[in-house]
This record gives sequence, C-alpha cells and structure tokens, in this order.
Amino acid sequence: VQLVESGGGLVQPGGSLTLSCAASGFTFSTYALSWVRQAPGKGLEWVSGISGGGGSTFYADSVKGRFTLSRDNSKNTLDLHLTSLRDEDTAVYYCARHRFSGNYNHDSFNVWGQGTLVTVSS
Amino acid sequence: DIQMTQSPSTLSASVGDSVTITCRASQTINRGLAWYQQKPGKAPKLLIYKASSLESGVPSRFSGSGSGTEFTLTISSLQPDDSATYYCQQYNTYPTFGGGTKVDIK
Repeated sequence: VQLVESGGGLVQPGGSLTLSCAASGFTFSTYALSWVRQAPGKGLEWVSGISGGGGSTFYADSVKGRFTLSRDNSKNTLDLHLTSLRDEDTAVYYCARHRFSGNYNHDSFNVWGQGTLVTVSS
Repeated sequence: DIQMTQSPSTLSASVGDSVTITCRASQTINRGLAWYQQKPGKAPKLLIYKASSLESGVPSRFSGSGSGTEFTLTISSLQPDDSATYYCQQYNTYPTFGGGTKVDIK
C-alpha cells in the first residue's frame, strides 16, 4: 500500500501548480482520499478531501475557491490543482488515505505519502 | 471550525516513564478522534483512531481514551524510539488538528 506525491516546486504568488498522488497496493476507487499540508516548522492542516467515486469534494475554508481536487480511478491518481497561490500556502503537501473504505466520511488517515514541498515566493 | 487544544506543548521524560498527552475539543466530537506520531522529515503515522482503537502494528504501550471534548494519549513505558511530535485530530466534522506535543527522552 503506497501513495507517492509529485508536482511540488517554487511558484510565484498568484501562480498555479498541480500536485499529483499515485496510489498502489489497494482498491483505489473504494477509498476516500485527502490532502493535508504542513507549513515549515508548523502543525498539520487538512486541505481537501474527495469521495471514492470522485463525485463529492470538500475543502477547508482557507483554500475554497482556489484549490480543486479530482481523481482518476482508471489511473489510480489524485490531483490537487492550486491557483491564486499565496505565501501562506507554502508547505509540504501530503496525500492521505481515509482509514475506512466506503462512503465519504471525515476520517482518520492510515496511509500517507512522503509529501511534496510547495514554496510560494517571489 | 472545531479547535483542538493539546497540552503540554513539550514534555521530557525518561525511558520507562508513563506519559500522558491531553487534547481538548472546543465542542463535542463524540469519539471522532485520532492520534498521530510524526518524526522529523517524515509523514505522520496513525496510532489511535476512534479515540481508543489501536491501529494495526502499533505497540500496545500506546493507548487512547476519552469522549466528548476531552481525550488523552498515554505511552505506558516510554522507549527511545518514541521521541517524536504527537498530534491529535478530530474528524467528527471537517478535520482539524491539535498544535502538537513534542516528546523528548531525557
């Protein structure tokens, strides 16, 4: 069971970026997934979640209207599209699997990727 | 948003000690509470879910308790490998995390 993030990098304020998460080792479509971020030296912040089928998405107020979460169950991939980026979006972004399969519920996360760093700076 | 307040923010204890970390929610979250361990440069690791259920593969010296608004994580016999930062997370509604407790070994 593995999640591998990619797509992080340096972007200017106001810019855009797409993060990807590739999953393996489990039945991808049966699990909801979320992104959790961690600013340098700070705590954890849930960013967004998506149901197994992709039909329901949820966002933290801090990113609503700027980030878009989607998944491709044929490719076992999860994408987070970040737009209108701000300095405070600088963080390591983790892809995380909800612990329980089935319908979307806010949940604990028992599988995490290694994270990908997004740096917003001019 | 539900605010999660962890205490203490840091603690130092000796190998073999029992340590307890507390997490308080700003409103009731029933038993929708998880605990994570995070080591520097690594992703968090789930220890406890549903307030007191031990995640598979996690040593039995870790235990969780509580319901409503007050929860605790106890490490019954602290080991050198337990040096880490611990976070609580509520998932009764949109998930929020506590500020973390850094555990050092004396």
